[in-house]
Amino acid sequence: GEDVEQSLFLSVREGDSSVINCTYTDSSSTYLYWYKQEPGAGLQLLTYIFSNMDMKQDQRLTVLLNKKDKHLSLRIADTQTGDSAIYFCAETSSGNTPLVFGKGTRLSVIA
Amino acid sequence: DTGVSQNPRHKITKRGQNVTFRCDPISEHNRLYWYRQTLGQGPEFLTYFQNEAQLEKSRLLSDRFSAERPKGSFSTLEIQRTEQGDSAMYLCASSRGINEQFFGPGTRLTVL
Repeated sequence: GEDVEQSLFLSVREGDSSVINCTYTDSSSTYLYWYKQEPGAGLQLLTYIFSNMDMKQDQRLTVLLNKKDKHLSLRIADTQTGDSAIYFCAETSSGNTPLVFGKGTRLSVIA
Repeated sequence: DTGVSQNPRHKITKRGQNVTFRCDPISEHNRLYWYRQTLGQGPEFLTYFQNEAQLEKSRLLSDRFSAERPKGSFSTLEIQRTEQGDSAMYLCASSRGINEQFFGPGTRLTVL
């Protein structure tokens, strides 16, 4: 079945760049998403990319997609303490079907 | 646009009791999804609707779980005869057409 893998923890210093990685197994994945979850809260959509794109930039966020290796990354430039949260990678084969999530990467930003 | 809302935000119940959660999607969003999230895990799909039609149910959704979306607007998720293993955060999301899913704040269920 479909599977999405993420490293569980990442720690960076304030002002540095953070790179969160994700791999997926479903070759029919068409839409790939990054969500942010703060403690006790729901999921906030950060950005998404379609499989026909290699890169997408949105302010401090850059998403890179390597479709051949089924690898997705999220780069956060100038990481701030407010970026501390759990980041989830998710995929779906079409834009209106259930998402398959990874277990999340806990980002800790050290001041 | 007030976002997806869920009620209650927290529910504590005793094993064996029935509980019902409500989700109000973003208006004009025709798709509504239920997910369950346990500690240290990502959300797992439970079921979803297009308007009032329930399109798919996960194998995670045992016979004790039932979901409805009677008029294609709000949805309810009922768990009968709750078990301790049902303790989790229940998340609702909605989308319009082939667009991104927006999540509500979740309902945290604790079964004692």
